[in-house]
Amino acid sequence: AQSVTQPDIHITVSEGASLELRCNYSYGATPYLFWYVQSPGQGLQLLLKYFSGDTLVQGIKGFEAEFKRSQSSFNLRKPSVHWSDAAEYFCAVINNAGNMLTFGGGTRLMVKP
Amino acid sequence: DAGVTQSPTHLIKTRGQQVTLRCSPKSGHDTVSWYQQALGQGPQFIFQYYEEEERQRGNFPDRFSGHQFPNYSSELNVNALLLGDSALYLCASNPPVPEPTDTQYFGPGTRLTVL
Repeated sequence: AQSVTQPDIHITVSEGASLELRCNYSYGATPYLFWYVQSPGQGLQLLLKYFSGDTLVQGIKGFEAEFKRSQSSFNLRKPSVHWSDAAEYFCAVINNAGNMLTFGGGTRLMVKP
Repeated sequence: DAGVTQSPTHLIKTRGQQVTLRCSPKSGHDTVSWYQQALGQGPQFIFQYYEEEERQRGNFPDRFSGHQFPNYSSELNVNALLLGDSALYLCASNPPVPEPTDTQYFGPGTRLTVL
């Protein structure tokens, strides 16, 4: 069975500082991985996705993620955080049929001025 | 181009009642998935509808049922509501013939509170 773990429930960073959100997955085949962001009261917006090729994936809003098969990880990074990045971030893996996303528990990001 | 829309935005019900939530997929999409997001947790897959049939189902009881209409819109029905059904219910849509690499587009959700 596929699963996703986000070890950090809450993270606080200062505005302008770098950010890394951790994600570990468990999946028997080649994983297709996603990062979504959810602002308060909003639905989920896709930041980026990985399914093959270059292990460093660029997304929207200046985010990137690196797929490391040996570590079963897909960590999200941003070099300089803005106050508007405060939100909840979810890592997810999809099954081969492409119809069922399995999400991690999420990481809530707070940004200090 | 309208994205995924859901109604109502908020809903309050009491235990034992039944509820119906609605979703219209993004233009050009014909596949609809439903997810339940309890407070402080990640979304959990309930089921997916394609060509008016349930194609895949997550680990949810039969109290949760759905329907898809010819115009691709969908309803989620929950019977005999429990307090634990309180959650944000998210609808997502896919383009035709979903592939794992496709993006699921999510609506803003319906917040259900069961008292």
